[in-house]
Amino acid sequence: GAGVSQSPSNKVTEKGKDVELRCDPISGHTALYWYRQSLGQGLEFLIYFQGNSAPDKSGLPSDRFSAERTGGSVSTLTIQRTQQEDSAVYLCASSLAELPYEQYFGPGTRLTVT
Amino acid sequence: QKEVEQNSGPLSVPEGAIASLNCTYSDRVSQSFFWYRQYSGKSPELIMSIYSNGDKEDGRFTAQLNKASQYVSLLIRDSQPSDSATYLCAVPSGGSYIPTFGRGTSLIVHP
Repeated sequence: GAGVSQSPSNKVTEKGKDVELRCDPISGHTALYWYRQSLGQGLEFLIYFQGNSAPDKSGLPSDRFSAERTGGSVSTLTIQRTQQEDSAVYLCASSLAELPYEQYFGPGTRLTVT
Repeated sequence: QKEVEQNSGPLSVPEGAIASLNCTYSDRVSQSFFWYRQYSGKSPELIMSIYSNGDKEDGRFTAQLNKASQYVSLLIRDSQPSDSATYLCAVPSGGSYIPTFGRGTSLIVHP
């Protein structure tokens, strides 16, 4: 079946603009995760959804970052007033609720803030 | 803060050799351990999971877990150039749904 999809694959934006990143998880996967990976760095956890609720949003770096999930499926990560330090690859992953650690990653969105 | 440590490498091995990748973790109550492979410019892909002490084999890959010493390793037998990638160790803290990822070890398999 289809894997996790993300859009756009690349996004270049000017500092101060808002951006929306989309994730479409594997059908039937109720758990969804957002991570950020900067060049040469490890995976930084941002937020976790179980269904439409976000029991853990501890990784969001500031109040400029927000995320929502609707219908237990598609999720959108929004970054307001982007800064250059927001430049990174944003990865989405999904998993079955009963296997939360066996995560399947999407191809990522490369965000560049100029 | 729970930590997962890996040598960043690069670890360079000749084709056909055994590559040994190591990971240590700080949370003594962790019960499950995962290895992901990430090719350059691509997203991570789960390749192995291990839950009990000892060895778990899957094809050319063997995961080894020693909870007493708090380390988990990944052995790749008969290494191929296509194995060249960064290998990430992931360890969920006890009770958390969120795994902590190590920063990864870069493996280079040269012909």
